[in-house]
Amino acid sequence: SYELTQPPSVSVSPGQTASITCSGDKLGDKYVCWYQQKPGQSPVLVIYQDNKRPSGIPERFSGSNSGNTATLTISGTQAMDEADYYCLTWDSSSALFGGGTKLTVL
Amino acid sequence: EVQLVESGGGVARPGGSLRLSCAASGFTFDDYGMSWVRQAPGKGLEWVSGINWNGGSGGYADSVKGRFTISRDNAKKSLYLQMNSLRVEDTALYHCAREMAGLTGDRWFDPWGQGTLVIVSS
Repeated sequence: SYELTQPPSVSVSPGQTASITCSGDKLGDKYVCWYQQKPGQSPVLVIYQDNKRPSGIPERFSGSNSGNTATLTISGTQAMDEADYYCLTWDSSSALFGGGTKLTVL
Repeated sequence: EVQLVESGGGVARPGGSLRLSCAASGFTFDDYGMSWVRQAPGKGLEWVSGINWNGGSGGYADSVKGRFTISRDNAKKSLYLQMNSLRVEDTALYHCAREMAGLTGDRWFDPWGQGTLVIVSS
């Protein structure tokens, strides 16, 4: 069965760039989206179709997807970006989430 | 404003049943597929089941196939999840989510409801 792999944790200093990866076999052939989830809240879509930002999501969030790896990049990371991030793709009509990455801003 | 409100969660015994509901408002419900996604306490997200706009097609995660049934009532703008033969490992917060679709058939979930908590315990 298809699997998506994310690093359990990523740390970044305020103002720096955070990169969160999501790996899967030939993932670049599929579309990937990304969700941000803060404690006690429902997930919020931050990137869809690999690199599109929904309205209301800051420009510092961007995405890419090529080969076996999709990447969520947060430029000029702010304290408010500290959260869990999940990638999502579809395989054989089933939705698949990565295991999630806890982003710490310190 | 698009809104999804889940209900029906609670405590059930292993082997028992529960029926979850999701009431939708703020958008044309029968224009969209819908899904259920769950999150066990302290764990990640897991897609459970999805259904197309008219209820004619649905899918399930292997972990719930044969035990859970998804359905919808477009007249009532509501989504349902009938959960039978519940197991301890089904304990989770269950969210409903609207499926958005791209021109090439790719999909994503937006928005999500706040969720309803299901606890399966003896």
